[in-house]
Amino acid sequence: AQKITQTQPGMFVQEKEAVTLDCTYDTSDPSYGLFWYKQPSSGEMIFLIYQGSYDQQNATEGRYSLNFQKARKSANLVISASQLGDSAMYFCAMREELKAAGNKLTFGGGTRVLVKP
Amino acid sequence: KAGVTQTPRYLIKTRGQQVTLSCSPISGHRSVSWYQQTPGQGLQFLFEYFSETQRNKGNFPGRFSGRQFSNSRSEMNVSTLELGDSALYLCASSQGWGDENTEAFFGQGTRLTVV
Repeated sequence: AQKITQTQPGMFVQEKEAVTLDCTYDTSDPSYGLFWYKQPSSGEMIFLIYQGSYDQQNATEGRYSLNFQKARKSANLVISASQLGDSAMYFCAMREELKAAGNKLTFGGGTRVLVKP
Repeated sequence: KAGVTQTPRYLIKTRGQQVTLSCSPISGHRSVSWYQQTPGQGLQFLFEYFSETQRNKGNFPGRFSGRQFSNSRSEMNVSTLELGDSALYLCASSQGWGDENTEAFFGQGTRLTVV
């Protein structure tokens, strides 16, 4: 069974500084995808970044980058130059990349980030 | 291009009643997944529909059911509501099924309160 662990329930970060959100995962599947989502207080889950298990390079999307360490089974999200609008819950998620698994996502417990001016 | 639309946004129901939630995926997307989010259990997968067929199901009682129509719109139904069913119900839309690099786009959710 898949499992995602986010050990930081909440954290403060100073505006314009970088922040790293931890995510470790456990799976026996050889092929999987890792996702990060942002959930503001409105409730909508906003896709941030994706990393495939066979991708050689770490994924980057604007101010977001994913520090993927396959041997350690970690997929940490780095947000550079934090902005006040980055205050939200952040979820790490995993999907088996097998046809039979479809699009089912397994989520971690989330990390609440509060950006201080 | 319109995003994922969930209706209604808020619902208040009484124990024992039933409720139907609706999700319209992004145009051209054929997969719809449903998730329940509660403070205690976090985000849990309910089920996924693709081409009008349920393809995956999470570990929820039979009171939770769903369906998908030919236009890919999906509904989920919860019968005999319990207080513990109070949650944010999120719908996710994906273009394909089981394809790599397929993103899931979420709606704003329906917040259900059972009193």
